Amino acid sequence: SQTIHQWPATLVQPVGSPLSLECTVEGTSNPNLYWYRQAAGRGLQLLFYSVGIGQISSEVPQNLSASRPQDRQFILSSKKLLLSDSGFYLCAWSVRGLNTEAFFGQGTRLTVV
Amino acid sequence: KQEVTQIPAALSVPEGENLVLNCSFTDSAIYNLQWFRQDPGKGLTSLLLIQSSQREQTSGRLNASLDKSSGRSTLYIAASQPGDSATYLCAVLNAGNMLTFGGGTRLMVKP
Repeated sequence: SQTIHQWPATLVQPVGSPLSLECTVEGTSNPNLYWYRQAAGRGLQLLFYSVGIGQISSEVPQNLSASRPQDRQFILSSKKLLLSDSGFYLCAWSVRGLNTEAFFGQGTRLTVV
Repeated sequence: KQEVTQIPAALSVPEGENLVLNCSFTDSAIYNLQWFRQDPGKGLTSLLLIQSSQREQTSGRLNASLDKSSGRSTLYIAASQPGDSATYLCAVLNAGNMLTFGGGTRLMVKP
């Protein structure tokens, strides 16, 4: 069966520090991969999605970047965190193609202080 | 640009009641609609997936309907239980494999 892992579960980082969140998927190949952010009191915002290794699409201008170095690995990064980067970050995957179901990881709670 | 709205934003009901959560979307050119459950501080759990060609899906006490032409979906929860307390999110899949989410309905079922 397929599983998705996200880590760390919680993270407290000072303003200006770098960030690296990792997401891996097991039990499937060539998945679509997504990073979402859920800010307090707001809905889920799509940040990045990827349909293959090295293929990253960005949905909103921001202080973040994403990379997909391997087929089932998706990394969210920042060189210098801002207070506004605080939030709940969720990774998701779906089978390549249309009309497929999306599955989410357990999320990372990031607090920038 | 697709916009998804969920009504009500919050709902509190006594245990045992049947209830309906509403989701509406502005662009009817969707591939599917998915309902999720989110417990506090946790990720999203997929409840039901309705393809654009389908009218409804059922799983246990949950039934989701889709009226694509009018841009609406409802999630029906029968005989609600305290364990159903959570935030329920709907999301639609458009071209480009992008899910657009509603703001969610926060449900509290009181024993």
